[in-house]
Amino acid sequence: GQQVMQIPQYQHVQEGEDFTTYCNSSTTLSNIQWYKQRPGGHPVFLIQLVKSGEVKKQKRLTFQFGEAKKNSSLHITATQTTDVGTYFCAGSGSARQLTFGSGTQLTVLP
Amino acid sequence: DGGITQSPKYLFRKEGQNVTLSCEQNLNHDAMYWYRQDPGQGLRLIYYSQIVNDFQKGDIAEGYSVSREKKESFPLTVTSAQKNPTAFYLCASSIGGGKETQYFGPGTRLLVL
Repeated sequence: GQQVMQIPQYQHVQEGEDFTTYCNSSTTLSNIQWYKQRPGGHPVFLIQLVKSGEVKKQKRLTFQFGEAKKNSSLHITATQTTDVGTYFCAGSGSARQLTFGSGTQLTVLP
Repeated sequence: DGGITQSPKYLFRKEGQNVTLSCEQNLNHDAMYWYRQDPGQGLRLIYYSQIVNDFQKGDIAEGYSVSREKKESFPLTVTSAQKNPTAFYLCASSIGGGKETQYFGPGTRLLVL
């Protein structure tokens, strides 16, 4: 079945440093979504990418969808303590439902 | 104020007991989902429903049951057959199934006494 892998599992950065999490699928995806879960909270939708090679920005966050539509990345420039949380990618392709990655837990040290 | 509500926030289960987690949405979404999240891990799909009176097993359905008698409601029962039920349970909904964006409720933490 469809699998979505995400790396790294954990990332500790100093405030002001950049952060990147990567998502890879075993199959071609029709779209990819990114969610953020704050500590103790629930996942909240951030963005959806649909087109091959698509790049979208939200302030300090940059999202990319690979040319082959099998991988994606989220890059945060100059992290802040408010960026703390777990970032999940989720893709749909051959599976009928979204498949979530295992998430990257980001810690930002002040 | 539209959204998804889950109750209770915390739930304690005794050995051999069935417990039911509530999930209600007023977003008029057709599809609803139940996920299990263990500490430091991702989301694993338990059951999903794309329409009233129909639901499908997800990746880890054993020991769980659901019903979808109303569009707004998708309760999850954790049965005594689920030997390791301690986890954070998240309910979500989407306009349609498949590729649609999912909106999550605040979750229920289930603990076994």
